[in-house]
Amino acid sequence: AQSVTQLGSHVSVSEGALVLLRCNYSSSVPPYLFWYVQYPNQGLQLLLKYTSAATLVKGINGFEAEFKKSETSFHLTKPSAHMSDAAEYFCAVSEGGGSEKLVFGKGTKLTVNP
Amino acid sequence: KAGVTQTPRYLIKTRGQQVTLSCSPISGHRSVSWYQQTPGQGLQFLFEYFSETQRNKGNFPGRFSGRQFSNSRSEMNVSTLELGDSALYLCASSPSTGGADTQYFGPGTRLTVL
Repeated sequence: AQSVTQLGSHVSVSEGALVLLRCNYSSSVPPYLFWYVQYPNQGLQLLLKYTSAATLVKGINGFEAEFKKSETSFHLTKPSAHMSDAAEYFCAVSEGGGSEKLVFGKGTKLTVNP
Repeated sequence: KAGVTQTPRYLIKTRGQQVTLSCSPISGHRSVSWYQQTPGQGLQFLFEYFSETQRNKGNFPGRFSGRQFSNSRSEMNVSTLELGDSALYLCASSPSTGGADTQYFGPGTRLTVL
């Protein structure tokens, strides 16, 4: 069964600093991986997804993630944090096999300090 | 295209009552999935419907049920509400073309059980 572990439930960075949110996955099949962002009182918005093409995936708002099979990781990065990046971020793996079911990590709340 | 819409956005019920939540997917999307989000358990998959058939089901008691109509709109029902059912219920739709389709999330319905 697929699972996702997000290291660090809270991450705090200064505006302009590097953002690094960690995600490790477990999957019995080649995974499809996703990062979603959730702003307060809103649904989830897709940042980016990995579907076995390029291992470095670029998403919206300057975010990118690198798929590393040997480390079973899919960490999310952004070179320079902006105040508007403050939100909760979720890593997810698709169960596949014809199902659209996503298995989510517990989420990482990002705080950006001025 | 209009996004995923969920109604109502907020709901307050008392223990023992039942509730029905509605989700209208993006036009042309045939798969609808439901997730429960709570602070303690995070995002958990409830079920997925595709072409009016339940294709996948999560580990929730039988009090949680759903259905999908011929126009792909979906409803979920929770009977005999418990305090622990208080949560944000998110609906997501996808084209479900057999690949790693992106799921697009609605804003959610915030259910409070008193």
